[in-house]
Amino acid sequence: DAGVIQSPRHEVTEMGQEVTLRCKPISGHDYLFWYRQTMMRGLELLIYFNNNVPIDDSGMPEDRFSAKMPNASFSTLKIQPSEPRDSAVYFCASSFQGAITEAFFGQGTRLTVV
Amino acid sequence: DAKTTQPPSMDCAEGRAANLPCNHSTISGNEYVYWYRQIHSQGPQYIIHGLKNNETNEMASLIITEDRKSSTLILPHATLRDTAVYYCIVRVHTGNQFYFGTGTSLTVIP
Repeated sequence: DAGVIQSPRHEVTEMGQEVTLRCKPISGHDYLFWYRQTMMRGLELLIYFNNNVPIDDSGMPEDRFSAKMPNASFSTLKIQPSEPRDSAVYFCASSFQGAITEAFFGQGTRLTVV
Repeated sequence: DAKTTQPPSMDCAEGRAANLPCNHSTISGNEYVYWYRQIHSQGPQYIIHGLKNNETNEMASLIITEDRKSSTLILPHATLRDTAVYYCIVRVHTGNQFYFGTGTSLTVIP
């Protein structure tokens, strides 16, 4: 397996534009997590899914952020409209419950909003 | 809520053992201790986890005190590639949130 795959690796966008980040979890994993990392706040859990269903979105900063998981192999994190303070590295991770439940992280998407 | 306390930074000489401490004085009976590391610009990488017994794998050893209020991650022979931020996390084994604290920035010195 290629691991958790995120795209794009880098995204530069203008304030007010819509941004969509994509994630393909490891095949067979039933949990998917979205994290955001900044120097000021470190790694923050935004939302996680179990079997494609959002379980806890209490970390989503505001209504401009939304996440979906239409099937077991794909998830998106959307920001609309984007703001400069959304600039961060966004990580996706997946895990399998019932086994050794460590989470495997993707390489991240570095988002810059100008 | 990270529930863990770690020193912000540490240095270690190459080839020596790196011992990274973590305090988790409020840990519950069903919570595991997990360790991850993050090498610059990469996603966090799982290292090891344990409940109350000491654990060892190909990457590291985990020593958990008898009262479970603290633990130590040991990298037996640190290399330059072990320079990273190391995170200690406590979580319920079947709970699913990983809350990362500020971690320890380990620098391995040649």
